[in-house]
Amino acid sequence: DSGVTQTPKHLITATGQRVTLRCSPRSGDLSVYWYQQSLDQGLQFLIQYYNGEERAKGNILERFSAQQFPDLHSELNLSSLELGDSALYFCASSPQGVAGLYNEQFFGPGTRLTVL
Amino acid sequence: AQSVTQLDSHVSVSEGTPVLLRCNYSSSYSPSLFWYVQHPNKGLQLLLKYTSAATLVKGINGFEAEFKKSETSFHLTKPSAHMSDAAEYFCVVSAYSGAGSYQLTFGKGTKLSVIP
Repeated sequence: DSGVTQTPKHLITATGQRVTLRCSPRSGDLSVYWYQQSLDQGLQFLIQYYNGEERAKGNILERFSAQQFPDLHSELNLSSLELGDSALYFCASSPQGVAGLYNEQFFGPGTRLTVL
Repeated sequence: AQSVTQLDSHVSVSEGTPVLLRCNYSSSYSPSLFWYVQHPNKGLQLLLKYTSAATLVKGINGFEAEFKKSETSFHLTKPSAHMSDAAEYFCVVSAYSGAGSYQLTFGKGTKLSVIP
């Protein structure tokens, strides 16, 4: 158990809909990262938040957005869903201190999104 | 920019025989390197990490990896495979991405099968 929690575990929805995925980082971790894992694209970095502020963006679509709240939990919002958005979405957290280069990320169990 | 190439998408070994999963990296800066494992329907778990302290890194469950700068490689090995090692393994490079952030770049993964 990494200490990172994600809800829900599974989500099934229809095209055009909007969903929210939730992540709680490990206690004390200030950085939260979101990733998308699909069969064709592999593991893709989407976005990072550090202590409530957006810090880095990866391959995140404009239909997707995220935020990190004062209690450090984070939400990933996916809107106007398409069939191709079906994937496993992971959240990870890390302390992101001065020695950030060597800080591994701790991954949650993921949310499996199925768009029908 | 950094990148990771995992040279085999699938490796199959017999139980009790050695495991070798190959990884080459590219990074503009001195990188930090990790190996993560993902068991079916589970999140990613850190196996080991390279932080420049020692070129031979020991991880959990008997795995180790050797950093070879001249070959830009970070291959993962285990002397004797166990059935429970069957999983997907990801080689990961961490590098500075600006604005005080460090970004992980994942390889495409190597699926390890262990034959009884």
